[in-house]
Amino acid sequence: EAGVAQSPRYKIIEKRQSVAFWCNPISGHATLYWYQQILGQGPKLLIQFQNNGVVDDSQLPKDRFSAERLKGVDSTLKIQPAKLEDSAVYLCASSLDGAENTEAFFGQGTRLTVV
Amino acid sequence: AQSVTQLGSHVSVSEGALVLLRCNYSSSVPPYLFWYVQYPNQGLQLLLKYTSAATLVKGINGFEAEFKKSETSFHLTKPSAHMSDAAEYFCAVSGARGSTLGRLYFGRGTQLTVWP
Repeated sequence: EAGVAQSPRYKIIEKRQSVAFWCNPISGHATLYWYQQILGQGPKLLIQFQNNGVVDDSQLPKDRFSAERLKGVDSTLKIQPAKLEDSAVYLCASSLDGAENTEAFFGQGTRLTVV
Repeated sequence: AQSVTQLGSHVSVSEGALVLLRCNYSSSVPPYLFWYVQYPNQGLQLLLKYTSAATLVKGINGFEAEFKKSETSFHLTKPSAHMSDAAEYFCAVSGARGSTLGRLYFGRGTQLTVWP
């Protein structure tokens, strides 16, 4: 089966510019996650969707980050305006039902560099 | 609150030697625990998971981990390291209630280097 697809793989922008990332989860997976992985750290959850509804966005910096999951399938994560500290790898993951023992499948990530 | 601590940000072993990567967890409920591996410029791949069925969990690529409640540990081992095992390894615990259900809390990761 096809895995989680993300694009672009790499992005370099200047601070104060905007950027968007796209994620296509595994077909049939109800739960979608966006994680931020800063160099030298483990991934940290930004937002979790169940179908097209938000379950948890408590760690999302809402003054600059936004995310949506239209029709409960694809998702986009946007940053506007970007700051230097947003440089990180943004990982999208999906799972069948979001249960605590269900495997999450990860995409290859988008590496963002803000200069 | 759920959290994990990985002891040692870097571990180096010789090819054929035992691999031991340490993970301790903190959880307010019986935990579900995971080990993921990340190769350079790749996403995370599940190695194994503990879901209370058995304390010794076998995963892919010859890795296994033992859940020890008394020590709040879930260390990852492999009897004989291979060059292809060189990667970063993350321990994670799953959120188990309410809005945290299913989200993963990751440790900082351990970079494994395998010397020929």
